[in-house]
Amino acid sequence: DAGVIQSPRHEVTEMGQEVTLRCKPISGHDYLFWYRQTMMRGLELLIYFNNNVPIDDSGMPEDRFSAKMPNASFSTLKIQPSEPRDSAVYFCASSGYRGRRTGELFFGEGSRLTVL
Amino acid sequence: AQSVAQPEDQVNVAEGNPLTVKCTYSVSGNPYLFWYVQYPNRGLQFLLKYITGDNLVKGSYGFEAEFNKSQTSFHLKKPSALVSDSALYFCAVSLLRGSARQLTFGSGTQLTVLP
Repeated sequence: DAGVIQSPRHEVTEMGQEVTLRCKPISGHDYLFWYRQTMMRGLELLIYFNNNVPIDDSGMPEDRFSAKMPNASFSTLKIQPSEPRDSAVYFCASSGYRGRRTGELFFGEGSRLTVL
Repeated sequence: AQSVAQPEDQVNVAEGNPLTVKCTYSVSGNPYLFWYVQYPNRGLQFLLKYITGDNLVKGSYGFEAEFNKSQTSFHLKKPSALVSDSALYFCAVSLLRGSARQLTFGSGTQLTVLP
C-alpha cells in the first residue's frame, strides 16, 4: 500500500493568495482527518470526514478555511485568502474499520506551508 | 474533557541506557491510549496502543508502554536507547465521539539519544 499521499510537500506563497492542499487516503479507509501542526499550538484537528461527508469541522480556524472530499480517494483543504499566521505543516490522516474502532490513524508526510 | 499531558518537552539519554518518555491522561471512561513518533520532516508513525488487557504493551522498534490506571499514566519505555530513536514522540488519547474515535494529542516530547 502506498500510504496516505499528500501534495504539495512544500508550498511558499504570498499573503492573499489561494492555497490548495491535496490528500489521497489509503484505499478502503472511510475516515479522513486534516490536522495542522505548529510550534505554538502543536497538533490540532481541523476537520474529519466519514464516507466523504464532513462530520466535525469545529477545528477549522475561520471561514478562510474550507475542506472537501468529492470521492473516497481524494480530499482538499483550501485557504483563501492565505495569511502569514497560516504557516504550518498540514497533515492528512486516514483510518479504516480497525482505525474507526481503536482510533489508530495513518498519517501522510505533510504539506509545509509558508505564507510570506 | 479528555486531555493528555507530556510533562517534558525534551528528554536526553545516552545510547545504550534505558529511556522513559512520560505521559499522563485525563478522561472519563475507559481510555484508548497511543504513542506516535515523528522523525524530522515526516508524518507521525504509530508505535503502539493500549485498548484493554495486559497493562504492558509492546510496540514497534523495541518500544513498550505501561498503562497505570491508578496513576493515569502511559509512559513509553525502551530498555536500551539507540541514536536512531532520536525523534519527537506524541502520546494520544482516544474517546468515541459519535461514530468515530477522535485522537487528542499531547504537546510532544523531543527525545535525543546521545552517542
